[in-house]
Amino acid sequence: GAGVSQTPSNKVTEKGKYVELRCDPISGHTALYWYRQSLGQGPEFLIYFQGTGAADDSGLPNDRFFAVRPEGSVSTLKIQRTERGDSAVYLCASSYDGGAGGYTFGSGTRLTVV
Amino acid sequence: GENVEQHPSTLSVQEGDSAVIKCTYSDSASNYFPWYKQELGKGPQLIIDIRSNVGEKKDQRIAVTLNKTAKHFSLHITETQPEDSAVYFCAASISGGSQGNLIFGKGTKLSVKP
Repeated sequence: GAGVSQTPSNKVTEKGKYVELRCDPISGHTALYWYRQSLGQGPEFLIYFQGTGAADDSGLPNDRFFAVRPEGSVSTLKIQRTERGDSAVYLCASSYDGGAGGYTFGSGTRLTVV
Repeated sequence: GENVEQHPSTLSVQEGDSAVIKCTYSDSASNYFPWYKQELGKGPQLIIDIRSNVGEKKDQRIAVTLNKTAKHFSLHITETQPEDSAVYFCAASISGGSQGNLIFGKGTKLSVKP
């Protein structure tokens, strides 16, 4: 596609519910990243995929957060037992492998836990 | 781990003036320093980046300088225009940008007054 696509653009859920956020990267980009951005802050790293595997998941805050990329393209970020503190914009980005430089970010999913 | 500090948090300039945003980083192993522009409701957009083997890079009205000894880098925007108004983020990475994660500053909200 022309850019990184994230769906839904907005998600409101009740505390304790399960949510899935989807990211469709630029075609041909092998690297995919998830970041979380709270109001007034810079993006905070969550997890990085190279192909189908998670190369670095050190940013996931706890075991309620999980992400998959089963075919090396689309990725889903899954959050179990959501808490109000999970409210943020979840950003996805993709890039070419091999140090080409620079990510392309999607517009994000604004998650609100009420 | 890496820590990126960004100043100022807000910056207001008159159209046509220059704007300078400064960042410092803590990890001397960092070798890739991108700058992103984020408009309301959108994901961050890469505007310029610099690698550790270069001291300065320019692209039309935008320039970035890097001082590895002092561990700081700066964004310079000349002849500012109202459409330059946005939040700007600096970031640093050890892995060269396309692999591994970026550490972001907290952002600078730039307002350009016509």
